[in-house]
Amino acid sequence: AQSVTQLGSHVSVSEGALVLLRCNYSSSVPPYLFWYVQYPNQGLQLLLKYTSAATLVKGINGFEAEFKKSETSFHLTKPSAHMSDAAEYFCAVRLDTGRRALTFGSGTRLQVQP
Amino acid sequence: NAGVTQTPKFQVLKTGQSMTLQCAQDMNHEYMSWYRQDPGMGLRLIHYSVGAGITDQGEVPNGYNVSRSTTEDFPLRLLSAAPSQTSVYFCATGGQGVRGAPLHFGNGTRLTVT
Repeated sequence: AQSVTQLGSHVSVSEGALVLLRCNYSSSVPPYLFWYVQYPNQGLQLLLKYTSAATLVKGINGFEAEFKKSETSFHLTKPSAHMSDAAEYFCAVRLDTGRRALTFGSGTRLQVQP
Repeated sequence: NAGVTQTPKFQVLKTGQSMTLQCAQDMNHEYMSWYRQDPGMGLRLIHYSVGAGITDQGEVPNGYNVSRSTTEDFPLRLLSAAPSQTSVYFCATGGQGVRGAPLHFGNGTRLTVT
């Protein structure tokens, strides 16, 4: 079985500051890892994914994440926050099975202060 | 290209009433699934389908039924609504044949049971 832990249900940063959203996973086999973003009253949009090709993954809107197997982490970062980054972010893990189900973390709400 | 379409967007039910949440996709994805989103709990899998005529239970299936008669549609039925089913429901579909293919989400149905 797999699980995902997102540290910090709320994160607040100033505009222009570094964004760091933490995600740790547990999995018995190498997983696929995803970050999704959800804007108010909308569905989830894929930010980026890790599928074992490269440990540093670049996504949309300037976000990137680094897969660290030794730390079982997949933290999401962005060098400079923008007001439009305010949203809820979900980390998710999936095993390479036919079920294709995602296991989600509980989410981190990012607030960007002017 | 509509992607994943969910209807209705909002619904209010009384305890004991039944209803069907609709999900339609035009991406020819074999895999379709339903999640519910509750505050502080991320998204949890209700039911999923790997193709027409094939469905299976997810993490929280009680109180919900599904069927899959076509590739395009995957309705979720609440036979007797309960206040505990107040939630936001998301339909998600996934491609096949690509390792680590992400899920694509609809914009959700917000359900309130009084």
